[in-house]
Amino acid sequence: GAGVSQSPSNKVTEKGKDVELRCDPISGHTALYWYRQSLGQGLEFLIYFQGNSAPDKSGLPSDRFSAERTGGSVSTLTIQRTQQEDSAVYLCASSLAHRDTQYFGPGTRLTVL
Amino acid sequence: SQQGEEDPQALSIQEGENATMNCSYKTSINNLQWYRQNSGRGLVHLILIRSNEREKHSGRLRVTLDTSKKSSSLLITASRAADTASYFCATDAREYGNKLVFGAGTILRVKS
Repeated sequence: GAGVSQSPSNKVTEKGKDVELRCDPISGHTALYWYRQSLGQGLEFLIYFQGNSAPDKSGLPSDRFSAERTGGSVSTLTIQRTQQEDSAVYLCASSLAHRDTQYFGPGTRLTVL
Repeated sequence: SQQGEEDPQALSIQEGENATMNCSYKTSINNLQWYRQNSGRGLVHLILIRSNEREKHSGRLRVTLDTSKKSSSLLITASRAADTASYFCATDAREYGNKLVFGAGTILRVKS
């Protein structure tokens, strides 16, 4: 079946602009996660959604970052007023339930000039 | 140190040799997982080992867990050039809200 997909695969933007990154999880997966990976680093947890529960936003680095998940499926990560330090690969993952094996998408490489 | 730390940071071996990567962590865990990442993009889940397990195998992969030492190792036997990738351990621990916490990874290069 189809895996996790993310779009766009690459995004170049100017400092101060807003960006939206999209994640389509595997159908039927109730948990969805966003991570950020800076060059040569491990993954930094940002936010996760589990079913209809309130999302765990504890990893969001600032109030410029927000995410939503509509209809328990597609998720959008929004970064407002982008800064150069936001440049990274943003990875989305989904799992059947929280704490099950996570399946990752290919990521969106964000470059802020 | 962070919750999950891998060592070595980088490893270069010849095809056919075994590769061993280690992961140390700080708190009690529910489980520990190993992932592989090619070319800095999506991660692929390799193995999950629970806190009450000591060893698991999957093909050429062998993972051990020593909860007394708070460490795990990933062994890849008879390595191939296609095993060249970054390998990450990730821990699931109550102290971290039962979310996966990833280490910085080990970069493995297998030379043919």
